[in-house]
Amino acid sequence: QLVLTQSPSASASLGASVKLTCTLSSGHSSYAIAWHQQQPEKGPRYLMKLNSDGSHSKGDGIPDRFSGSRSGAERYLTISSLQSEDEADYYCQTWGTGSWVFGGGTKLTVL
Amino acid sequence: EVQLVESGGGLVQPGGSLRLSCAASGFTFSSYAMSWVRQAPGKGLEWVSIVSGSGGSTFYADSVKGRFTISRDNSKNTLWLQMNSLRAEDAAVYYCAKDLGNYGSLFDYWGQGTLVTVSS
Repeated sequence: QLVLTQSPSASASLGASVKLTCTLSSGHSSYAIAWHQQQPEKGPRYLMKLNSDGSHSKGDGIPDRFSGSRSGAERYLTISSLQSEDEADYYCQTWGTGSWVFGGGTKLTVL
Repeated sequence: EVQLVESGGGLVQPGGSLRLSCAASGFTFSSYAMSWVRQAPGKGLEWVSIVSGSGGSTFYADSVKGRFTISRDNSKNTLWLQMNSLRAEDAAVYYCAKDLGNYGSLFDYWGQGTLVTVSS
């Protein structure tokens, strides 16, 4: 079964960097994913597509502070030079045969 | 500029029906799959349904299969979600989302959402 696992919460200081993790279920380590950001009281916003080879393509207007990487079944979103507006929920997403799946989301707090 | 504007949400009694709409602009609508994704209060995102660019292929989450129907009119750049036999657990903000491809993959644009409340 295709499942994405995310830690429920993360925190980092203003101006620092943070690395969020999304783990693909067993047997699905080659899947591409997308990262989405949801600021409080707003709809989601697409950040990037992260391919299984670690390459990524970002959405329109996404700052260079956001980058993606991978290691095995893990997919990462790194946010550098954290700003207050980065405080949000972050979701990873993928798809399989007849199913489209989201991770449970990580709530990022900027201290 | 890609724009997705949902409408049609509201208050409905359990067992009732509602039809959501999503008006799309800024891209060649027929070339992309479209999805509905919902978010219950305080919860995460849940994929609901997807339709291919041509409208010929549809998929549903098990939680809504047999009760919801997704459709699209490429001449009107509009996506719909017909929701029947609504339950309390269907209450959520419903988002439409544009796909990166024609048959369904990853979502690259989102609407602002429309709220569905199911209560007697």
